[in-house]
Amino acid sequence: DIQMTQSPSSLSASVGDRVTITCRASQYISTYLNWYQHKPGKAPKLLIYAASSLQSGVPSKFSGSGSGADFTLTISSLQPEDFATYYCQQSYSTPLTFGGGTKVEIK
Amino acid sequence: QVTLKESGPVLVKPTETLTLTCTVSGFSLNNPRVGVSWIRQPPGKALQWLAHIFSNDEKSYSTSLINRLTISKDTSKSHVVLTVTNMDPVDTATYYCARILRDAYNRDWFDPWGQGTLVTVSS
Repeated sequence: DIQMTQSPSSLSASVGDRVTITCRASQYISTYLNWYQHKPGKAPKLLIYAASSLQSGVPSKFSGSGSGADFTLTISSLQPEDFATYYCQQSYSTPLTFGGGTKVEIK
Repeated sequence: QVTLKESGPVLVKPTETLTLTCTVSGFSLNNPRVGVSWIRQPPGKALQWLAHIFSNDEKSYSTSLINRLTISKDTSKSHVVLTVTNMDPVDTATYYCARILRDAYNRDWFDPWGQGTLVTVSS
């Protein structure tokens, strides 16, 4: 199975901050990498697919980059509605796997 | 509008079999580049992918749970069903179903997701 490692596991940030979350795969996965936002009690929401493609309707403050085994999700200017847990997920091979999540909290 | 909704028991006893149904609308289970996946989240833990099924009946399962999972679909009812045998308290989780979209390079992503259903395993 491909292991997905996210860092940090949690972070505290202020409104307006630029936030970067990293995701590392245990092997090469090309651009078979997606990012999701998950708020308590809500359905997870797709933000970025294929490493860098912004899902329709998602604000452009979210961006994804990377290829191979190392990826990043960036939020350019953190807003109150962005406080949530973020997950990366690979689809290079089955079983599909998620990272452990990064919880973004208010400083 | 694409929607998915999970249904099933909220409480099961240890050793019992869990059967969950995902009812989809707004898309066809016959579309070759569309599938449905089941994903769960134990309380306080990360998301865990369980299984998926596509229109051509392609199926795949979590390595750690492969002996306990069965996924199937009833296209006429727009249902995707997941069964989990021999339930244990560690299987307590919110279970989600999600549509899978697959591009020309066979990259898959989940969008949208259902609201999820909390299943508790306790005697």
